Order: sequence, then C-alpha cells, then structure tokens
Amino acid sequence: ILNVEQSPQSLHVQEGDSTNFTCSFPSSNFYALHWYRWETAKSPEALFVMTLNGDEKKKGRISATLNTKEGYSYLYIKGSQPEDSATYLCASPTGTASKLTFGTGTRLQVTL
Amino acid sequence: GAVVSQHPSRVICKSGTSVKIECRSLDFQATTMFWYRQFPKQSLMLMATSNEGSKATYEQGVEKDKFLINHASLTLSTLTVTSAHPEDSSFYICSASLPGLADLSYNEQFFGPGTRLTVL
Repeated sequence: ILNVEQSPQSLHVQEGDSTNFTCSFPSSNFYALHWYRWETAKSPEALFVMTLNGDEKKKGRISATLNTKEGYSYLYIKGSQPEDSATYLCASPTGTASKLTFGTGTRLQVTL
Repeated sequence: GAVVSQHPSRVICKSGTSVKIECRSLDFQATTMFWYRQFPKQSLMLMATSNEGSKATYEQGVEKDKFLINHASLTLSTLTVTSAHPEDSSFYICSASLPGLADLSYNEQFFGPGTRLTVL
C-alpha cells in the first residue's frame, strides 16, 4: 500500500444498523492514523488519532481499531443514527510526521 | 475547542482575476496552518504548509507563484489564487494545529469549512 485508501466509497444503512468501514495505509514508517468526520457544509472534525498497534478508541457509539503491522484501521458505528450521516476520512502522515495524506473517504448515509 | 474559520465560503470569478481566501484561528494561535485542495471524488491534497513569519513550504507540483500564501499573524493565513483559470476551480480548505504541536504526527488538525472556487 503506497497511499491511504478507504472502502467502501459509500454506504447506505438503516437507522439502528451497525456498520464499519476500512482504512488502509502504508505500514512502513508509520507515525499515526487519524479519523475525521465531515458533515456537509461543516468543517471536518477529528474523531480519533491513533498511534499504537492494537489500539482501540471509543467515542460514544463510534469506535476504531488499529493494526500498524498490516496497515489497516476499522471504524465502527453501533446503532447508526441519521446524525451519523457524514463522510468519514482517514489520514496518515506519509513522508514526514506533520503532513497528512488523506483517503477519499467513506460517505455514510443513515435513513429512518 | 479550537475553531478555524474560512472566508469566503463560495466565490465565483472570471478567468484572469485573483482570489484571496482567508483562514483564521479564532480561539488559539496557529504558528502552522495547512492548505488543501480537493477535486471532485478525490481526496484532500496538501498544497502547502504555511508558517507564521516565514515562507510557506509548497508540495511538489504546486506553483508557489500561482498560489500565494501569506501567514502574517498568528491567527491568519491567506491563500491567493493569482490569475485564476477554470482548471483552478476546486474546493480549498485550510487547517491549523495547536501551537508547538504542528510537527507531531499525533496532533489533530482543526479545519475550516472550506471555500468553493468556481472560475468561469
């Protein structure tokens, strides 16, 4: 993996469903993995910044795991709500510690 | 929390004109700000790193004379798209890190809401 990649590109779930999506990143020279939520017409907002292999972070119904050896992170949303509808971006510094390389995002739509 | 504003949110201009976009950190001092560009269905691409009181650092392939960056104060960075052309039409977004932490990979970035530029 040379770039940061996310899948799926988009996802449509019903309210109450649990869902997850993937971020793949270069496993060599790993610094950190960032997850952001970006609602339409708003600013991207940081959800998690993860640095340790095996790390798991949680914020309410949203959680994330990290595998730095194989170069992937999963974001989980339990019991999706319409307000969870957003684009979820992951990013990892590639090259230098301060410069983030972003994936194209997973666009989540939660309907009633 | 740390808030970043960006102005304007949307601008339409004629080809050949210059457009200035402002990025402000409202409740903290940002010695480092980042400018990104996003084309449709693509990821945010870092254009340049803006450092207060010094020259910006541009990413490979980004013309510094085309995209002028000025970071004259600890709360304001501006991006000027000079002699804009239709191919410059894009979504431009800035971010900032808390002071002293910009070089740290685990430091989250605080984003503005972005500017949609359309060049006719």
